[in-house]
Amino acid sequence: EVQLVESGGGLVKPGESLRLSCAASGFSFSTYSMNWVRQAPGKGLEWVSSISTTGTYTYYADSVKGRFTISRDNAKNSLYLQMNSLRAEDTAVYYCAREVTGTEEIDYWGQGTLVTVSS
Amino acid sequence: QAVLTQPSSLSASPGASASLTCTLRSGINVGTYRIYWYQQKPGSPPQYLLRYKSDSDKQQGSGVPSRFSGSKDASANAGILLVSGLQSEDEADYYCMIWHNTAAVFGGGTKLTVL
Repeated sequence: EVQLVESGGGLVKPGESLRLSCAASGFSFSTYSMNWVRQAPGKGLEWVSSISTTGTYTYYADSVKGRFTISRDNAKNSLYLQMNSLRAEDTAVYYCAREVTGTEEIDYWGQGTLVTVSS
Repeated sequence: QAVLTQPSSLSASPGASASLTCTLRSGINVGTYRIYWYQQKPGSPPQYLLRYKSDSDKQQGSGVPSRFSGSKDASANAGILLVSGLQSEDEADYYCMIWHNTAAVFGGGTKLTVL
């Protein structure tokens, strides 16, 4: 069974940093691209970032470029999102999501972790 | 103008069919894109429903009933999610998505009410 379990969310002040983690199990992690997608309270889905199978290629939404860094450790079956210079508008549930290589569907999502940025 | 536009809400009766549209911005040709559809119920993460580009390039998500199907309306430059035989459990938010310039783009979502 595919499982994606996010952790690391919490309450931080504007300008502070946070690191999210996602533990993957039930599939061959190293053969899938991975993504972070967020959802602000009461709002729609917003793609944040993606990373290729080996970590060679990373992509970011304009809204987080230069502040967030996606990474992965295939030996640990883990995905990460380092978030710096956090803003109030970054407040959201952050989902870790698996992407099928080639056909690119984001087919499995974790339960999400809530990040709240507030003074 | 947003890349993907979805009506904010849609209502339909149990047993009827509902057609949810996802219109691509002018200049972005629906024919060249795979469109992905997701269902999200309150308090839960999104669930992948299906992918549709053409009748030869489509896929149903694992365990997704055949009542959910995808298509396109080229004249409207739109992707369509058809939900047939509506059931109360189909009441949810539905999002379309495409990959555009190495970024995933989601529509704003349609809240489907079954009443």
